[in-house]
Amino acid sequence: SQTIHQWPATLVQPVGSPLSLECTVEGTSNPNLYWYRQAAGRGLQLLFYSVGIGQISSEVPQNLSASRPQDRQFILSSKKLLLSDSGFYLCAWWTIDYGYTFGSGTRLTVV
Amino acid sequence: QKEVEQNSGPLSVPEGAIASLNCTYSDRVSQSFFWYRQYSGKSPELIMSIYSNGDKEDGRFTAQLNKASQYVSLLIRDSQPSDSATYLCAVNRRAGANSKLTFGKGITLSVRP
Repeated sequence: SQTIHQWPATLVQPVGSPLSLECTVEGTSNPNLYWYRQAAGRGLQLLFYSVGIGQISSEVPQNLSASRPQDRQFILSSKKLLLSDSGFYLCAWWTIDYGYTFGSGTRLTVV
Repeated sequence: QKEVEQNSGPLSVPEGAIASLNCTYSDRVSQSFFWYRQYSGKSPELIMSIYSNGDKEDGRFTAQLNKASQYVSLLIRDSQPSDSATYLCAVNRRAGANSKLTFGKGITLSVRP
């Protein structure tokens, strides 16, 4: 079966600290992968998407970066977090039959 | 104009009633449309997808699409307290690969017992 794993579930980080969020999928190969952020009171904002290893497209200029070192691994990073980076981060993959399937999410609070 | 707009809400209906959730989109070339349900603190989960004009029914849920009016809706019949959640409308310009969904801000539904 196809599953998506995302961790950690919650994270509290000080301003200026680095960030690394990881997402892995199982049961498929060469998936399209996405990172979204949901800030309080706002909709889901697409941050990055990837159609293959090493292929990253950025949707919004920001303090974050993404990498895809393996086919089923997608990483979201930051060198120095800002207060405005707080939010609910969601990894997702896309299939033509089911649209997006989201991971369980990481709630990041920057203090 | 926002790309995907949903009623600001919140929406409150009594148990057993029909809840009607509406969504409009600005990009006329949009090909596919999705409704997601998101419980508080959880990630969104897919309820319905619709690609053609008309109605699509799945259990208590009916999605309606009118491409000419750039309008998509979700009807929930016999609403239950467990339906209380935020409902997100999402639109895709492409029906095939490399799809990127644009989401509305969502509308919060509360079903009163």
